[in-house]
Amino acid sequence: AQKITQTQPGMFVQEKEAVTLDCTYDTSDPSYGLFWYKQPSSGEMIFLIYQGSYDQQNATEGRYSLNFQKARKSANLVISASQLGDSAMYFCAMREGPRSNFGNEKLTFGTGTRLTIIP
Amino acid sequence: EAGVTQFPSHSVIEKGQTVTLRCDPISGHDNLYWYRRVMGKEIKFLLHFVKESKQDESGMPNNRFLAERTGGTYSTLKVQPAELEDSGVYFCASSQDRQGLGYTFGSGTRLTVV
Repeated sequence: AQKITQTQPGMFVQEKEAVTLDCTYDTSDPSYGLFWYKQPSSGEMIFLIYQGSYDQQNATEGRYSLNFQKARKSANLVISASQLGDSAMYFCAMREGPRSNFGNEKLTFGTGTRLTIIP
Repeated sequence: EAGVTQFPSHSVIEKGQTVTLRCDPISGHDNLYWYRRVMGKEIKFLLHFVKESKQDESGMPNNRFLAERTGGTYSTLKVQPAELEDSGVYFCASSQDRQGLGYTFGSGTRLTVV
């Protein structure tokens, strides 16, 4: 079974609108971390935001926020006031185990969502 | 601070040939990871170095893949002999701490086996 599911292979959004990228995950580990990465056409993977499973509040980083619904095992990325530069592939990823757990830093990724911002 | 550097950025080789990918992590980063994305699929973990030691190589697909990190600095990933299914984008990432945050990824090497 897939551990990270991104059900939207592609999305088109009008500039300045908000956009929500879906991500659901599956783990039996009570301690885990969720990440979102952006991959523009240049190829590099850019870290956007992180949510720990025990974090009480939803993570926010500038225009990015993570809508963390633990019971539903979802970690949707919300981008407010989208810009043309937001056009890219977006990957949701999970690390299982506590942050300090020795030797357990590998990430499991979803298949990604290609976001296109329309002027 | 220089980022994670990977080269070549693109490589096209014939089936049966050998290819070596290189990753230069951020200076001082003990942790180095290799990941691979086959077209249209998810990015998959290959292996994790801590300095020169292989901490976790559970994602290596088969013995045609050999990763090294001599001296704990740069790493190489050799595919020998390459097969068609090895085509994809190979990412390297490095981090300084063991907390799972602070990964810095390279831009990847796009490998095409024909």
